[in-house]
Amino acid sequence: AQSVTQLDSQVPVFEEAPVELRCNYSSSVSVYLFWYVQYPNQGLQLLLKYLSGSTLVKGINGFEAEFNKSQTSFHLRKPSVHISDTAEYFCAVSDPGGTNAGKSTFGDGTTLTVKP
Amino acid sequence: NAGVTQTPKFRVLKTGQSMTLLCAQDMNHEYMYWYRQDPGMGLRLIHYSVGEGTTAKGEVPDGYNVSRLKKQNFLLGLESAAPSQTSVYFCASSYTSGRYNEQFFGPGTRLTVL
Repeated sequence: AQSVTQLDSQVPVFEEAPVELRCNYSSSVSVYLFWYVQYPNQGLQLLLKYLSGSTLVKGINGFEAEFNKSQTSFHLRKPSVHISDTAEYFCAVSDPGGTNAGKSTFGDGTTLTVKP
Repeated sequence: NAGVTQTPKFRVLKTGQSMTLLCAQDMNHEYMYWYRQDPGMGLRLIHYSVGEGTTAKGEVPDGYNVSRLKKQNFLLGLESAAPSQTSVYFCASSYTSGRYNEQFFGPGTRLTVL
């Protein structure tokens, strides 16, 4: 079974400051990893994903994440945040094999609030 | 392309009433999913479908039924609504298996059961 833990439920930060949203996962097999963003009153949209290859993954809106297999982490970072980055962020993991038909397991979410 | 659309956007039900939520996608995706989102609990998979005419149970299927009679539509039914089903419901779709492909989400349906 796989699980995802987002270590911070809320992260307040000032505009133009750097931010890191932390995600740890547990799985007995190799995994695919995703970060999604949900703006208020909207559905989720993909920020970035890790399937294989380079452990540093770049996404939209200046976000990037680093896959660390030894620490089973996939933390999301942005060097300078903007007010418009205020949203809820979800980390998700899926199993490349097996019969679960691509179901992803989502973390509980981290609310990023960017203050002026 | 409209992407993934959901009908209705809001609904209030009384305990015991029934309703159907409609999800439609115009991206010719094979896989479709229904999730519920509750505060502090992330997204939990209710049911999913890997193609027209197929459905399967997810993590929290009790109290819900689904049908996928057409490839572009995925219906979620509540036969006898309960207050515990008050939630925001999201539909999603993906071209092939969501294991390695992103899922595209609809805007959500906010359901309140009194």
